[in-house]
This record gives sequence, structure tokens and C-alpha cells, in this order.
Amino acid sequence: LAKTTQPISMDSYEGQEVNITCSHNNIATNDYITWYQQFPSQGPRFIIQGYKTKVTNEVASLFIPADRKSSTLSLPRVSLSDTAVYYCLVGDLGGSQGNLIFGKGTKLSVKP
Amino acid sequence: EPEVTQTPSHQVTQMGQEVILRCVPISNHLYFYWYRQILGQKVEFLVSFYNNEISEKSEIFDDQFSVERPDGSNFTLKIRSTKLEDSAMYFCASSEVGRREYEQYFGPGTRLTVT
Repeated sequence: LAKTTQPISMDSYEGQEVNITCSHNNIATNDYITWYQQFPSQGPRFIIQGYKTKVTNEVASLFIPADRKSSTLSLPRVSLSDTAVYYCLVGDLGGSQGNLIFGKGTKLSVKP
Repeated sequence: EPEVTQTPSHQVTQMGQEVILRCVPISNHLYFYWYRQILGQKVEFLVSFYNNEISEKSEIFDDQFSVERPDGSNFTLKIRSTKLEDSAMYFCASSEVGRREYEQYFGPGTRLTVT
């Protein structure tokens, strides 16, 4: 499994764009990148997933450079309700049983 | 939007007692999981379940733990003889397909407190 490294915490203010970068230097060819969000006392929630280049959905964008050794989750115009822990997960496309391996994540605090 | 439900939301038990945590996965999902999160720590995989049998389990999932799908809707985690260190939030999750690239839907969790 590719190891991931992300900042322990980040602070932001309402209305700002937040970018959380995850390093995964040992990412394998079959690995894809997935981000989950977790609010206090709740289960993780899927945000976005990608393999290369850019992926965008109604919640966030995911930027993946050509070498795929890192990825950046971008949250546009955050609000107080975006305060949560964000997890970057890297896993293979085939032969997996599906269990997710979470790291410590990035605790995002959004201030008014 | 369909969701995973879990009961109870909070369970307090004495050390050595058996507990059963219950989950109702999303109805058309085929893969079920249990995770746990000790307060202040990361989410840890316990076990995955498909076609009425365990697909994969972690080192945490020892003989004290068991899972069962007693009927077409419920998915349970049993801890036979609870220990203090079993105190944690337990999350059930389900997915349509048992691979990491498919979204897993997590329930709200059961907070287990062992005294």
C-alpha cells in the first residue's frame, strides 16, 4: 500500500478556498486516490476520487499531477460546516477486498 | 438518499460482558464492513463481509469478535467478552462492490463504552 502524508491540521476562514495536499511518493500504477471527510462523532463520508489529472464534483476538485506522487483536494469557498477531518487514501484498482486504510487525516478548522 | 443505520447510538457495558452492535446496510449493497475508531485516533478496519462470509479481517478482529447477517437486512458485530480497550466508536459501512474504488457508505456509529 502506498503511504500517504498530509498536514495534521489547517486553518481557514469562511469564503476562502482551501487546498489540502497529500503526498504519495510510492503510488503504484493501479492505485487511485480517494478522499473522505469526517465530522466529529460521525462516520467518514466519500468526497471525491481520481486517477490522474483533474476531477470535479459538486463538493470539491481533485488535482493530480502527471507523476501522481501527490494530489490536492480543493474546497471552494469553505463555510463553518466544512470543519472536519479530511483523509487521503490510496489504493489499487484490482484484487482488493475493499477495506479502507485510513491515516490520521488533516483536521481543517474554518473560522468565521 | 439511502443511508446506513446503526443501533444503539451509545452502548455502555461492563468488562467481560457480551455486546451486539447492529447495522442495517443500504438495501442493494452486497459488501459490508465494520471499522472502529478509538477516541482521538484514526479509523481502523476490522472486517469485511460478502456472501454470508468474512472476506477479510484485520489483526484487531480476533476470536472475541464475530459478525453475522442474521436476516436480509441486519448486519451485526458481536464482542464476546468486552475489554476496556474495546471502548471506541464502531462504524458499519456498506458498498455495492467490494473494491476500494467504489464508495463506501458509513453509518453514524455506535459509541461503545466499557467500564
